[in-house]
Amino acid sequence: GQQLNQSPQSMFIQEGEDVSMNCTSSSIFNTWLWYKQDPGEGPVLLIALYKAGELTSNGRLTAQFGITRKDSFLNISASIPSDVGIYFCAGSSRGSQGNLIFGKGTKLSVKP
Amino acid sequence: EAGVTQSPTHLIKTRGQQATLRCSPISGHTSVYWYQQALGLGLQFLLWYDEGEERNRGNFPPRFSGRQFPNYSSELNVNALELEDSALYLCASKRWNTGELFFGEGSRLTVL
Repeated sequence: GQQLNQSPQSMFIQEGEDVSMNCTSSSIFNTWLWYKQDPGEGPVLLIALYKAGELTSNGRLTAQFGITRKDSFLNISASIPSDVGIYFCAGSSRGSQGNLIFGKGTKLSVKP
Repeated sequence: EAGVTQSPTHLIKTRGQQATLRCSPISGHTSVYWYQQALGLGLQFLLWYDEGEERNRGNFPPRFSGRQFPNYSSELNVNALELEDSALYLCASKRWNTGELFFGEGSRLTVL
């Protein structure tokens, strides 16, 4: 079945640093979404991407839909302690039959 | 506008029992998805309901079932509970014409 490879698995950074994480797929996706999940809570949608090459920002977050439609990245600039959490990429395509396929997540830790 | 609501927040059962989890989607959303998230792991797709019908199911045994009601709310039933069913069960909803899933806070099921 379809799989998403998300990397890195975890990051431990200093407050103020920029963060970059990405997802790759073996197949083409029509939609890429990025979510953040805090412990014990449901994932919260951060950014949605619908077109190849699309670059979208949400505050300090920027995400891009790769030109090949097989990858996406998320950047966080000037990280702050509340950025701590697990970030998931998710994608859907015709082959996923309406389902969102999720990456395994990137656990972000920020040291004040 | 109220978000996706799930109940109960926590549920403790013993092996062999049955569990029922409930979800109310965002008003205007007709699709409901269920995901299982075991501790420290990613989101595994369970079931997708749209307009009262099951549209797709993930790679889970038949003892995981559910339904969607005319008001688009949904319930997930897990029969013959096993220890490994302990997880956070997340419900999400979306409008018919978008790819964005919005998640509830989840129901934490513990099987003893």
